[in-house]
Amino acid sequence: DGGITQSPKYLFRKEGQNVTLSCEQNLNHDAMYWYRQDPGQGLRLIYYSQIVNDFQKGDIAEGYSVSREKKESFPLTVTSAQKNPTAFYLCASSIMAGGVYEQYFGPGTRLTVT
Amino acid sequence: AQRVTQPEKLLSVFKGAPVELKCNYSYSGSPELFWYVQYSRQRLQLLLRHISRESIKGFTADLNKGETSFHLKKPFAQEEDSAMYYCALSGWDRDDKIIFGKGTRLHILP
Repeated sequence: DGGITQSPKYLFRKEGQNVTLSCEQNLNHDAMYWYRQDPGQGLRLIYYSQIVNDFQKGDIAEGYSVSREKKESFPLTVTSAQKNPTAFYLCASSIMAGGVYEQYFGPGTRLTVT
Repeated sequence: AQRVTQPEKLLSVFKGAPVELKCNYSYSGSPELFWYVQYSRQRLQLLLRHISRESIKGFTADLNKGETSFHLKKPFAQEEDSAMYYCALSGWDRDDKIIFGKGTRLHILP
């Protein structure tokens, strides 16, 4: 089954704990993205990576960190510094860097922090 | 500032009636415009884009540069069109990122 996968589907954490969300793709895409989706807010870009071992901050990077050690994988860590971490997180990939290329989205991870 | 505005959070339309989801943008240049759709319990996916000039699932979108709009239209709504729709734009450079609107939920009434 090709595509982009995210795990887990639901994640629960206590306040103050860091948590890592997984994103894997087997599409051989160069670029990968993390978005946060909140009701009424649309999609907001957290981090993106144009190529392996490189990543840039998006619009709302504070309190988040990423790594891109492999082309297939782009994990997102939500740190305790993120003030409002409860949200739906979407990972996406595109064949090349640049917003003009179609983005393929994962199924999302719903994170709840209490 | 680069921005995508979808003025309606929710749009309710009767089955068989015409649909128009509004999208206005602000961009210094000539961006590419997109509509992405998220059906219930499905992934967000590309519906159509301006450069393709295609009609997908009966939907079309015309770029009006004078009004800086890219409204999504369908002449006869179907129940399966109920979904969340996002308008988006991007510049053509490698470093340009896609910018999404806040989305419009389309609810087709029986």
